[in-house]
Amino acid sequence: QKEVEQNSGPLSVPEGAIASLNCTYSDRVSQSFFWYRQYSGKSPELIMSIYSNGDKEDGRFTAQLNKASQYVSLLIRDSQPSDSATYLCAARGGTNAGKSTFGDGTTLTVKP
Amino acid sequence: DVKVTQSSRYLVKRTGEKVFLECVQDMDHENMFWYRQDPGLGLRLIYFSYDVKMKEKGDIPEGYSVSREKKERFSLILESASTNQTSMYLCASSPGGFDPYEQYFGPGTRLTVT
Repeated sequence: QKEVEQNSGPLSVPEGAIASLNCTYSDRVSQSFFWYRQYSGKSPELIMSIYSNGDKEDGRFTAQLNKASQYVSLLIRDSQPSDSATYLCAARGGTNAGKSTFGDGTTLTVKP
Repeated sequence: DVKVTQSSRYLVKRTGEKVFLECVQDMDHENMFWYRQDPGLGLRLIYFSYDVKMKEKGDIPEGYSVSREKKERFSLILESASTNQTSMYLCASSPGGFDPYEQYFGPGTRLTVT
């Protein structure tokens, strides 16, 4: 079992819809969670971080964390074609506290 | 803004050559990381360093070594490049300690070994 697993995708949504990206992690000791966006040929850039159970909103993005279920999600409201990218989920602060473990990513396409 | 720079965006080397990939960060971060990213395999950690002259193996250290003589600079070395090391190499840095800080990535180096 991978330490961080994401929906393999690809995920396709129409412009203006809500895109939902999901991630589960196996190391129960993980403390912090991150969502990175990676455009094709570019490096990952951080879009959201979440450390506590519940929801965290930033503009059109909402991260949700449920530590009991070991589940993290990212919702993108009013999806735009510019949101088309691969989204990487990462967990940090587990048994190897100094490093992050990344999922393989989910590719999102927003169709105009 | 945190800035992580990598010495080359694109690099072409021949099999058997010694290859140096350089990474520099300007935010006084303690932690630095080297990853490779391949289609279908995701982001895989090669080595990381949490202090000058300190290094830890990641998930796929075979065929690689690293050097960190100064805090801001972390080098990845391919002692004898092979075609299976053709990949996108990403450097990242983050503040130290066990606080849950995110990592900041450099632009990447696309290495082709022929």
